[in-house]
Amino acid sequence: EAEVAQSPRYKITEKSQAVAFWCDPISGHATLYWYRQILGQGPELLVQFQDESVVDDSQLPKDRFSAERLKGVDSTLKIQPAELGDSAMYLCASSTRQGYGYTFGSGTRLTVV
Amino acid sequence: ILNVEQSPQSLHVQEGDSTNFTCSFPSSNFYALHWYRWETAKSPEALFVMTLNGDEKKKGRISATLNTKEGYSYLYIKGSQPEDSATYLCASETSGSRLTFGEGTQLTVNP
Repeated sequence: EAEVAQSPRYKITEKSQAVAFWCDPISGHATLYWYRQILGQGPELLVQFQDESVVDDSQLPKDRFSAERLKGVDSTLKIQPAELGDSAMYLCASSTRQGYGYTFGSGTRLTVV
Repeated sequence: ILNVEQSPQSLHVQEGDSTNFTCSFPSSNFYALHWYRWETAKSPEALFVMTLNGDEKKKGRISATLNTKEGYSYLYIKGSQPEDSATYLCASETSGSRLTFGEGTQLTVNP
């Protein structure tokens, strides 16, 4: 069964350092999403791509977060500089079209110390 | 209702018990309602996606219903098993394929 690949699985970083996460969606899935889940809360959308274009980044803290999907396939989410409040699970998901379930990756657990 | 709300926040049941959770969502701009199961150390797994008022879907011992007019969905688990222990997330999909998640219901099934 096809999976969404994410790496790393866990990341510990010091505050003010840069950190990057990678996601490879299911082949053929045009839509890719990055979600952040803070403990005790539901996942919150950070950015949505349609192919290589950003269609929604309204909740992305653009002063420190950036995301790209240059060739419309895999994607990178970067945080620079990391802050203590960025500690969370970062989930990547992909989908084929509206009304279909997302396929999620296993996530990256980020701890900022 | 402005946000997606789930209740209860957590639930402990005994093996064999049947249980149900509630998800409330805004009716405006509604496209679909999703349910996901998220087991510890695994990826969230899609259970159901429902779009039509009155929809009912079933997968084994798990079923879900949808009322789009009043903005709620129920998830039912019949004869809970320890392997059903997980966080159950619902999410409302609006136009543009964006999902807004609730905070989840954490289910623990004791043997």
